[in-house]
Amino acid sequence: DAGVIQSPRHEVTEMGQEVTLRCKPISGHNSLFWYRQTMMRGLELLIYFNNNVPIDDSGMPEDRFSAKMPNASFSTLKIQPSEPRDSAVYFCASSLFRDGEAFFGQGTRLTVV
Amino acid sequence: EDQVTQSPEALRLQEGESSSLNCSYTVSGLRGLFWYRQDPGKGPEFLFTLYSAGEEKEKERLKATLTKKESFLHITAPKPEDSATYLCAVWANTGFQKLVFGTGTRLLVSP
Repeated sequence: DAGVIQSPRHEVTEMGQEVTLRCKPISGHNSLFWYRQTMMRGLELLIYFNNNVPIDDSGMPEDRFSAKMPNASFSTLKIQPSEPRDSAVYFCASSLFRDGEAFFGQGTRLTVV
Repeated sequence: EDQVTQSPEALRLQEGESSSLNCSYTVSGLRGLFWYRQDPGKGPEFLFTLYSAGEEKEKERLKATLTKKESFLHITAPKPEDSATYLCAVWANTGFQKLVFGTGTRLLVSP
């Protein structure tokens, strides 16, 4: 398996623009996570899906953030409108529910100017 | 609230100089503790899962141990390629599969 695949790897956008990050989890995994990593706050869980259903979105910082998982092989994280403080590396991870350990993608480095 | 504290924040070792990284946790029922390695510009790479106090796992020069309050990642005779940030995460027994991460230890091994 190719692992968790994220796109794009890098995104530079202007403040106020819509940004969409994409993720393809490992085939067969039934849990999917979106994390955000910054120097100040480390890795923070934004939202967690199990069997394509959002289970815990308490980490989503504001209504500007939304996430969807229309099927088992695809998820998106959207920020609209984007702000400079959203600049961070966003990771997608997937796992088998019973195992716990999550496998991470390479991340999307988002810069909002 | 579940919390994970890692120490030290940064550690510099000479090649062959063994040491340990600490992960202290406060959680309402531990379901699992995970160690990850993260290289610059990459996502965290899974290393170990520990489920109960007294458990130990080994992989090459790394050995992870677990007590009821903390976990240690022991690095024996490290090499420069072991340089990375090591992250600890806990999985609380809340029914939700939510990993709470520490801020990591940046390890630099000099030749």
